[in-house]
Amino acid sequence: DQQVKQNSPSLSVQEGRISILNCDYTNSMFDYFLWYKKYPAEGPTFLISISSIKDKNEDGRFTVFLNKSAKHLSLHIVPSQPGDSAVYFCAASNFNKFYFGSGTKLNVKP
Amino acid sequence: EAQVTQNPRYLITVTGKKLTVTCSQNMNHEYMSWYRQDPGLGLRQIYYSMNVEVTDKGDVPEGYKVSRKEKRNFPLILESPSPNQTSLYFCASRETGADSPLHFGNGTRLTVT
Repeated sequence: DQQVKQNSPSLSVQEGRISILNCDYTNSMFDYFLWYKKYPAEGPTFLISISSIKDKNEDGRFTVFLNKSAKHLSLHIVPSQPGDSAVYFCAASNFNKFYFGSGTKLNVKP
Repeated sequence: EAQVTQNPRYLITVTGKKLTVTCSQNMNHEYMSWYRQDPGLGLRQIYYSMNVEVTDKGDVPEGYKVSRKEKRNFPLILESPSPNQTSLYFCASRETGADSPLHFGNGTRLTVT
């Protein structure tokens, strides 16, 4: 049973608008959460992370929100750009084990 | 350039023929790990290593072996590959300590016929 779930396989957004990618997890022991971006034929690239002691982390156009009571993680991209089109994976970690969601394919239309 | 290097990028083999996928990192990271990516399942951790000679099972270790004789290398060994091990494999490393992200290689696409 997957401990980290991304329920939206795909998302399409207009350039300049906000992209919101969502992720749910089941294990309350997770202490570190990450988002990765993946282009075809490349490995996942680290985007942004958040510790379980925080509820928000921001890095430029990317903001990650953590709602521990709901066991929910989200990534906001503002403004979205065509170069952001990729597959996004959320991940959670505890005790050196990492668990990934199944990914959301983001398409940013010019 | 800091990187994780996997070889080969593509591999086609037959059932039962032992193979090794190599992984090397030049960042002096103590932690290394292997993942497989399958459609609808995301990335699943196969094995990880906290340091030289220290390895532990991830979520899907069956059918795989690893070794960590040197800090920079972490090969993945399939002693007797089967078709259900056809997948995209990623090696990753990270700094020791909390809140350190994984850095991934570019992947190895394995097909077992």
